[in-house]
Amino acid sequence: GEDVEQSLFLSVREGDSSVINCTYTDSSSTYLYWYKQEPGAGLQLLTYIFSNMDMKQDQRLTVLLNKKDKHLSLRIADTQTGDSAIYFCAEIPSYQLTFGKGTKLSVIP
Amino acid sequence: NAGVMQNPRHLVRRRGQEARLRCSPMKGHSHVYWYRQLPEEGLKFMVYLQKENIIDESGMPKERFSAEFPKEGPSILRIQQVVRGDSAAYFCASSQGSPMNTEAFFGQGTRLTVV
Repeated sequence: GEDVEQSLFLSVREGDSSVINCTYTDSSSTYLYWYKQEPGAGLQLLTYIFSNMDMKQDQRLTVLLNKKDKHLSLRIADTQTGDSAIYFCAEIPSYQLTFGKGTKLSVIP
Repeated sequence: NAGVMQNPRHLVRRRGQEARLRCSPMKGHSHVYWYRQLPEEGLKFMVYLQKENIIDESGMPKERFSAEFPKEGPSILRIQQVVRGDSAAYFCASSQGSPMNTEAFFGQGTRLTVV
């Protein structure tokens, strides 16, 4: 199976919170990342969390890490139409990033 | 400081031709990575290079694909005798140091279409 798994689609109303979930397999990853990809664009690093942390908050973004279950989530508060994109979870067990297939977030006005 | 620059942004090749994709890392970055994104897929690691050295090419197909990062100039990903299955977006990333400790910045990608 895939090393990093994510649900493929998420649809939310503008102003609501979005929660994107991810499971990973390699417990040796030092960091876990969330990247954002807008249509036709490259990847933008949104945020990351160090593996010895449970939570990280950065403005509208909250990352939760459950190491026991190897579960990572990204919460976007007050979701805006500009947040519509594909969000990739990634782990880095060695020096190569391993990405999930991405969650396509659609924001309904 | 410009970001990671990739060119061309779009490349169309006929089956059997060669494709050359270029990547100029951010200033001061000596670590370069190439990833491939197939339609509806995440990015898959291909190769990791430092100046004049290939560190890990475990993600690269054994035939037709090669990569280099010369002392001077951009990193080149070369695909010989392209086939339809090579159609994908190819992303380059660079970092200042080890990717385990420093952020990797991505370029906007080269979208290769093989017709």
